[in-house]
Amino acid sequence: EIVMTQSPATLSVSPGEGATLSCRASQSVSSNLAWYQQKPGQAPRLLIYGASTRAAGIPPRFSGSGSGTEFTLSISSLQSEDFAFYYCQQYHNWPPAFTFGPGTKVDIK
Amino acid sequence: QVQLEESGPGLVKPSQTLSLTCNVSGDSVRSASYFWNWIRQPAGKRLEWIGRIYSSGGTDYSPSFKSRVLISLDTSTNQFSLRLSSVTAADAAVYYCASGHIVTTGEAFAIWGRGTMVTVSS
Repeated sequence: EIVMTQSPATLSVSPGEGATLSCRASQSVSSNLAWYQQKPGQAPRLLIYGASTRAAGIPPRFSGSGSGTEFTLSISSLQSEDFAFYYCQQYHNWPPAFTFGPGTKVDIK
Repeated sequence: QVQLEESGPGLVKPSQTLSLTCNVSGDSVRSASYFWNWIRQPAGKRLEWIGRIYSSGGTDYSPSFKSRVLISLDTSTNQFSLRLSSVTAADAAVYYCASGHIVTTGEAFAIWGRGTMVTVSS
């Protein structure tokens, strides 16, 4: 199984500041990496797929980068609606055994 | 645009079988453009992919669930279903059905239901 880790566990940011979230895979997943945003009581929302492609309707302040085992989600100028949990997920295995990271909580400083 | 909605009992007894259904609207479950997935999230924990079914009826299951899971397709009602047998307290979670358009977002999960909470208790 490919194990996903994320850091930091919690990130405290002031509105208007930027944030950088990290995700690491235990083995290469190429660019088969997605990022999701989840707010309490809601389903996850796809932000980024293919490591760097924004999903439909996602504002350009969200950007993803990386390949292989190291990935980053960057959020420029955080808005109030961006304070949430963020999960990375790999979809590289065959046969599929897709796995998620433990999440990073972005909260208000 | 595809929309998903989960339904099923919110309470299951230990050792019994958990059964959930996902209603698909906006397209057919027979469309080859989608995989139909089940994902769960225990309280305070990370998301866990359970498995998926193709429009053909073929399935892939997570090794963590493979011995006790069955995902099926019902084209007459445009739904797909999850059955998880021999449940324990560790199976208590919010269960989501999820999908995505293979051409546009690949195997990432772009479409999610709202989720349904399942408690395991006698």
